[in-house]
Amino acid sequence: QSALTQPPSASGSPGQSVTISCTGTSSDVGGYNYVSWYQQHPGKAPKLMIYEVYKRPSGVPDRFSGSKSGNTASLTVSGLQAEDEADYYCSSYAGSDRVFGGGTKLTVL
Amino acid sequence: EVQVVESGGGLVQPGGSLRLSCAASGFTFSSNWMSWVRQAPGKGLEWVANINQDGSEKYYVDSVKGRFTISRDNAKNSLYLQMNSLRVEDTAVYYCATGGTTFSHWGQGTLVTVSS
Repeated sequence: QSALTQPPSASGSPGQSVTISCTGTSSDVGGYNYVSWYQQHPGKAPKLMIYEVYKRPSGVPDRFSGSKSGNTASLTVSGLQAEDEADYYCSSYAGSDRVFGGGTKLTVL
Repeated sequence: EVQVVESGGGLVQPGGSLRLSCAASGFTFSSNWMSWVRQAPGKGLEWVANINQDGSEKYYVDSVKGRFTISRDNAKNSLYLQMNSLRVEDTAVYYCATGGTTFSHWGQGTLVTVSS
């Protein structure tokens, strides 16, 4: 049940694109198409942004997209906006377990 | 509108017990897996446990196995987490979430503090 690996921080200017990586193993990220991404603003509950690698729930802007290659999943935020500044967490199915990444703090410069 | 509301958190001494509850509304509770996820102060998210629709399947993170028990009452649209033998490291905000793999909707959380 090791946590997935995310960069602690990422940043970009308004209008730019930024990609956050999430690296696991063949027992979690690489083995299943059940990677999801969550956005969390300070003091708030997490919000689902991407599920099953690339699917967006209703209401999530299409500026948010997900992908996966091998044992690494990625979240891309295009056209950065001030309100995108938040912590982002990836999560993956891992058999009988579920694992999260350590989180990435996204700063909009 | 899907809504989940946690309750039952508080201050407890090491070795003590606490029971968290989660009241669900706005969706067919009995048709959904449910989960508990926690977040220690200033730290990241950690999956704690999940349960299937009829309660026949339950899974836990290794650190709580044998101490925590997840359960549900579909007649009351409620999810529970019985926490025994609590440790200082169990201090966290505990979130109730819909789903067993994709956590679609989250409550605002309830704070559990384990301290002497």
